[in-house]
Amino acid sequence: DTEVTQTPKHLVMGMTNKKSLKCEQHMGHRAMYWYKQKAKKPPELMFVYSYEKLSINESVPSRFSPECPNSSLLNLHLHALQPEDSALYLCASSQGRQATGQFFGPGTRLTVL
Amino acid sequence: SQKIEQNSEALNIQEGKTATLTCNYTNYSPAYLQWYRQDPGRGPVFLLLIRENEKEKRKERLKVTFDTTLKQSLFHITASQPADSATYLCALDPRKTSYDKVIFGPGTSLSVIP
Repeated sequence: DTEVTQTPKHLVMGMTNKKSLKCEQHMGHRAMYWYKQKAKKPPELMFVYSYEKLSINESVPSRFSPECPNSSLLNLHLHALQPEDSALYLCASSQGRQATGQFFGPGTRLTVL
Repeated sequence: SQKIEQNSEALNIQEGKTATLTCNYTNYSPAYLQWYRQDPGRGPVFLLLIRENEKEKRKERLKVTFDTTLKQSLFHITASQPADSATYLCALDPRKTSYDKVIFGPGTSLSVIP
């Protein structure tokens, strides 16, 4: 299985809602990532879990909260988002601790009203 | 300041010709550089990785070069086809000890005209 899956595909939420994005891979990869991508811009790294250790992009606001229940699963908890957080949220995985490419999921299109 | 630049925002070429895309970087010393393809509304797809001690890498119709003196990578698609139309992103590791993290360039949108 060489696929990264993400759910849901689309999400519309209000600024007071709490929601979660989910990501799963079964390639035995030990690094998993969350990226945010705005239209016509490159993906911007938000969080990395590598061998269950979290690295954070310091510019990501605290209304985004990652969780890695195990090496195959990655969640992104959303709370009190702003309209400017509307974007494509991409999950990716890689072997970790080696220079290899990243496998991306199809993304979740998030709209914050 | 550190930055990654890709030659142009959009590139149009005729079918059958070779497309050449450029990735230049400033104030980085990457151990490797990657190239991805991204179609609209979808996640990037990994294409090739080239290490700092490698001059050239090939995969089918794709060729990547890496010149650490010029701080530049070139990405070539030979015998281009309309199906090659997509945005192509280069990415590099910002610190040589950080295997897990890459930073993406802005991308080049390639259109192959039949």
